[in-house]
Formats: sequence, structure tokens, C-alpha cells
Amino acid sequence: QITLKESGPTLVKPTQTLTLTCTFSGFSLSTSEVGVGWIRQPPGKALEWLALIYWDDDKRYSPSLKSRLTVTKDTSKNQVVLTMTNVDPVDTATYYCARRRPEDEGLGYFDYWGQGTLVTVSS
Amino acid sequence: EIVLTQSPATLSLSPGERATLSCRANQSISSYLAWYQHKPGQAPRLLIYDASNRATGIPARFSGSGSGTDFTLTISSLEPEDFAVYYCQRRGRTFGQGTKVEIK
Repeated sequence: QITLKESGPTLVKPTQTLTLTCTFSGFSLSTSEVGVGWIRQPPGKALEWLALIYWDDDKRYSPSLKSRLTVTKDTSKNQVVLTMTNVDPVDTATYYCARRRPEDEGLGYFDYWGQGTLVTVSS
Repeated sequence: EIVLTQSPATLSLSPGERATLSCRANQSISSYLAWYQHKPGQAPRLLIYDASNRATGIPARFSGSGSGTDFTLTISSLEPEDFAVYYCQRRGRTFGQGTKVEIK
């Protein structure tokens, strides 16, 4: 059974750095073609793709947020960490992590998602 | 930049009716399109990938079609649990704005 769960602060002040952790089970990020991505959804708005890390440590980022995002993995802990610097109230959103389908080419689609964690950016 | 436009924004239907959702890309994306179902407070669920392939465990009432710039998600007969928001996604990045399927 594949599960993913996001964790991190619920409230962050503007200009601070947000760190979110995705802890997963049922698959390994050391297995070829596996990837874990991050997606967010501001309240009342659509989903936004943020970042993806592959089993071989290759990383992809949203062009519009690339300068502020870093994604890393700890294979031994089955965790992926997303860091976002210099947060702003517009970064208030539910943040999801999800598994990239290993069968896909390129960035792929997400076949398993976490429940999401709501992060509010406010002073 | 590839933009996905979904229509309509809201679809009001009754259980048992057929739902037809549209997703249009501003340039060709071949068949690289997925559909997700999202209910409040739940994880999004992959329904369709590569335009027309049902994901594991997805009921046959969900079907996808299209290629190039025009894509359709069809729910042949709405079940009570199908009322949700549906998003299309170009493989890898861009999501559409969503279509809410609500009970009429």
C-alpha cells in the first residue's frame, strides 16, 4: 500500500523560509524511474505544479518559482523535503506531495497523493 | 507557455446523467494529458492518463478522449460520489483551472 503524508508548519511569517517534509511508504526512491513531486493549491484556486525529484537525484522546478525552491531526498528515511525561501502571503496554500508514475516518460503524472497540508503565510 | 482551459467552470447535473468536461490546450500536447478528481479535504485522484487510459481501479464510467489541443472527460452516468472538482494536467506541469461537477 502506497501512502504519502506531508508535514511542516501551519503558519509562517513573510520573508521566512518554509520547509515541508513528505514521508512516504510502499515504494522506494532508490528504484529506477520513481519520482516524488510537490503541488500546491491556494484557497479557491487551481492546482500548481512546483517541483519533482527523481530516483537518480535529478530535479525539476516550476520556472516561475525555481529561484525560491529546493527539493531534496533522504532515501533511507523515505522522505522528500521541499524548501521555499522568502515566502509571501500569496504562498498561502495547501501543499501536496505525490508520486510520479514510474511507467511515464519525462515529468509524468501523479498516481498517489498525500492529503495535503495547509500553510498560511501571515505576520 | 502551454495553457490549459477547462470548460465549463461549473456543471450542474443530477445523478444518473452524463457529464462531459472539456480541456483545451493553446498548442498541441499530443496525447499527454491526465484527468484528476478532487474532493474537499481529500487527496486528488488520478483518473485518466495519456488522454484515454484509465488509471488503476478507476470505474469504466470514466472515459477520456482527444489529442492535440482538445480533450474530453466523460462520466457516462453520474454516481453520488462523482460530484467533485475535475482537473486536467498536461504531462509534467500545467494544470487546468478545474470544472466543478455539482448536484443539480
